Amino acid sequence: QQQVKQSPQSLIVQKGGISIINCAYENTAFDYFPWYQQFPGKGPALLIAIRPDVSEKKEGRFTISFNKSAKQFSLHIMDSQPGDSATYFCAATKGGGGSNYKLTFGKGTLLTVNP
Amino acid sequence: DTAVSQTPKYLVTQMGNDKSIKCEQNLGHDTMYWYKQDSKKFLKIMFSYNNKELIINETVPNRFSPKSPDKAHLNLHINSLELGDSAVYFCASSLYTEAFFGQGTRLTVV
Repeated sequence: QQQVKQSPQSLIVQKGGISIINCAYENTAFDYFPWYQQFPGKGPALLIAIRPDVSEKKEGRFTISFNKSAKQFSLHIMDSQPGDSATYFCAATKGGGGSNYKLTFGKGTLLTVNP
Repeated sequence: DTAVSQTPKYLVTQMGNDKSIKCEQNLGHDTMYWYKQDSKKFLKIMFSYNNKELIINETVPNRFSPKSPDKAHLNLHINSLELGDSAVYFCASSLYTEAFFGQGTRLTVV
């Protein structure tokens, strides 16, 4: 059972365009939703995260939109740059950290930004 | 300064062998993890340890045995390696919500 569904699997965007990646979750106990960015040969790195008490969070060109009733959240990358080309993972967890913190990941989106 | 470091970065071995991957974090975090990333890049948790105590074991075959000698180290020993064990194994650590990942160990079983 896949608890976090991510789409699309791959995405090609022109430089300066907007990249949008969507995720949906099933477990209503999830209370923390991070996005991770992974470059080839590297480990995932936290990009931005949101809790369900807010509907949007923005950090620079990256924005998370969160819809609690629909159990969906999305990542928007504004003014996409070739350096943003990477695999993006949405994730979810419950418990707010501590020793039982377990990230459930989506299957990833390979983003390619063409110059 | 490397926050979460794993060794080796690449590991090629034959079926049936036993191998270990080592992980160390210098972030002062209490919790450490092993995640497996398969050939389709799907990331799944295997184990988590908090202060040397096993907290999460996600139905991983008992050929996989994690060991945490102290809260800064978490090693993964794999017995009787199988072709299906080929993957990238990531160590991670966290204090609260943010997990920091190592660069991964690409294990290839031939």
